[in-house]
Amino acid sequence: QKEVEQNSGPLSVPEGAIASLNCTYSDRGSQSFFWYRQYSGKSPELIMFIYSNGDKEDGRFTAQLNKASQYVSLLIRDSQPSDSATYLCAVNIGNQFYFGTGTSLTVIP
Amino acid sequence: GAVVSQHPSRVICKSGTSVKIECRSLDFQATTMFWYRQFPKQSLMLMATSNEGSKATYEQGVEKDKFLINHASLTLSTLTVTSAHPEDSSFYICSAPTSGGVNEQFFGPGTRLTVL
Repeated sequence: QKEVEQNSGPLSVPEGAIASLNCTYSDRGSQSFFWYRQYSGKSPELIMFIYSNGDKEDGRFTAQLNKASQYVSLLIRDSQPSDSATYLCAVNIGNQFYFGTGTSLTVIP
Repeated sequence: GAVVSQHPSRVICKSGTSVKIECRSLDFQATTMFWYRQFPKQSLMLMATSNEGSKATYEQGVEKDKFLINHASLTLSTLTVTSAHPEDSSFYICSAPTSGGVNEQFFGPGTRLTVL
């Protein structure tokens, strides 16, 4: 059983729309949850992390965590073509990090 | 945020040779570093966990004699791909978690290995 699951996509949204990315995890012992963005040929870069239930906002990005349902999501408001990338969800259990397979997002101008 | 560097960023080598990749944490100490491999259009695959002062922990299916890991100091881990073959061509990425509060993990820029 995979620790972290994401819809691989591709997900396409028009410029200016809200992009919604979802992630589920299997281990209730998961402590922290991360969203990374990875452009083709580059290494992942951290967008934001969340560890408490509820919403966390940072600029155009909002992470939502629901531990009871074991899912974490990322909303991108006012999507821009530069947001086109693969988004990786990761969970932290102890000293281990587990990554999902990533969701490919394309923002259409 | 914390900075992790990798060297080299790109390397091309002949089949049968060995390649060393360095991973450094520039502004923090890392007792643990992670080594990942990523093939085109695939997700990150954890290869091993590098531990300062002790042996690395390898994931299932990763040959420890082929992928040698040495965590020489609190800021440096090296991955040596021994007797490289074309199927080892991949994007190798290291990362290091910070230890304060939430364990954020910062990635190096990656090393593109091409084995001819």
